[in-house]
Amino acid sequence: QSALTQPPSASGSPGQSVTISCTGTSSDVGGYNFVSWYQQHPGKAPKLMIHEVNKRPSGVPDRFSGAKSGNTASLTVSGLQAEDEADYYCNSYAGSNNVVFGGGTKLTVL
Amino acid sequence: EVQLAESGGGLVQPGGSLRLSCAASGFRLTDYWMTWVRQAPGKGLEWVASIDRDGSGKYYVDSVKGRFTMSRDTAKNSVFLEIISPRAEDTAVYYCARGLGHWFVFLYWGQGTLVTVSS
Repeated sequence: QSALTQPPSASGSPGQSVTISCTGTSSDVGGYNFVSWYQQHPGKAPKLMIHEVNKRPSGVPDRFSGAKSGNTASLTVSGLQAEDEADYYCNSYAGSNNVVFGGGTKLTVL
Repeated sequence: EVQLAESGGGLVQPGGSLRLSCAASGFRLTDYWMTWVRQAPGKGLEWVASIDRDGSGKYYVDSVKGRFTMSRDTAKNSVFLEIISPRAEDTAVYYCARGLGHWFVFLYWGQGTLVTVSS
């Protein structure tokens, strides 16, 4: 049950695109198409942004997209806006009724 | 409308015990798995425990096995997390969450309740 690996920080200017990676193993990210991404603003509960690698829940802007290759998943935020500044966490199903989260990435909009 | 409301957090001494509650509304517990996720101060999210729709299957992260017990009361439509002999590293905001389709896709979250373990 080791945490997934995310870069501690990422940044971009308004209107630009930024991609955040999430690296696991063949037992979690690589073994299942069950990667989700969550956005968390300070003092708030997490919000689901992407599930099952690339599916967006109702109400999430299409500026947010997800992908996966091998043991690494990624979240891309296009057309960065000020309100996108937040912490982002990935998680993956890891088999045997276990779930693992990434360490989180702080996204700064410059 | 789905709503989750945690309560029961507070200051607890190492070796003590605490019971967290999560009152659910807008759906029935018998239709969904429920999960506890925690976040230590300034740290990331950590899956803690889940209970299945039947209430018979309970699953825990290794670090809390034998110390935490998740349960539910369908009449009250509430889930609980009992913390026995807490450690300093259990200090965190504890969130109650419900899945979207798959139980491990957490669409609905409560506001969280803070547990502080200190003497």
